Amino acid sequence: SQQGEEDPQALSIQEGENATMNCSYKTSINNLQWYRQNSGRGLVHLILIRSNEREKHSGRLRVTLDTSKKSSSLLITASRAADTASYFCATDAAGGTSYGKLTFGQGTILTVHP
Amino acid sequence: DAGVTQSPTHLIKTRGQQVTLRCSPISGHKSVSWYQQVLGQGPQFIFQYYEKEERGRGNFPDRFSARQFPNYSSELNVNALLLGDSALYLCASSWVVYNEQFFGPGTRLTVL
Repeated sequence: SQQGEEDPQALSIQEGENATMNCSYKTSINNLQWYRQNSGRGLVHLILIRSNEREKHSGRLRVTLDTSKKSSSLLITASRAADTASYFCATDAAGGTSYGKLTFGQGTILTVHP
Repeated sequence: DAGVTQSPTHLIKTRGQQVTLRCSPISGHKSVSWYQQVLGQGPQFIFQYYEKEERGRGNFPDRFSARQFPNYSSELNVNALLLGDSALYLCASSWVVYNEQFFGPGTRLTVL
């Protein structure tokens, strides 16, 4: 079963606008990671945020984590056509023998129009 | 530094055949994980190996097996292929199990 659920399923914006994607999950986590995937190729790692962190930045990316609500958001500022891709959140659940096993959501398809 | 590499890039097999997929992790990484991604869905966890030992197994049948070698490279084997095994198979490596996982380009398997 999918641990993370992204919202929206699809997002269409103009270049220069900001894009926000949300992820909800069900169980306690060690960390949450965001990935980008272009046209069914390999996943590109964007950001890892640990359960004791609330916000991280990397270039035009900002990730927040609210463990009380079991949710995370990815903000891409000043989007570019090259940001067009599928974006996935993946959770590393805490406890048991599941450490290091990432559980992915269905992804958000982002389209940035020039 | 080279990223995670996988071979082959594409593979076409027929039902009932067996397939072996290969993965070389980033230099220095000791953990390798395998994921299956069918079209339109997120990747699903198959196996994780750390220091040549299986540390995790997803909800996949026994037809799926894997191993990790002393140089930390890994192989994923799938026996008795079914049409439903058609997918992109992704390998990911990390330094240790709690760190970022970096993915390879994947192997596209088509079962006819």
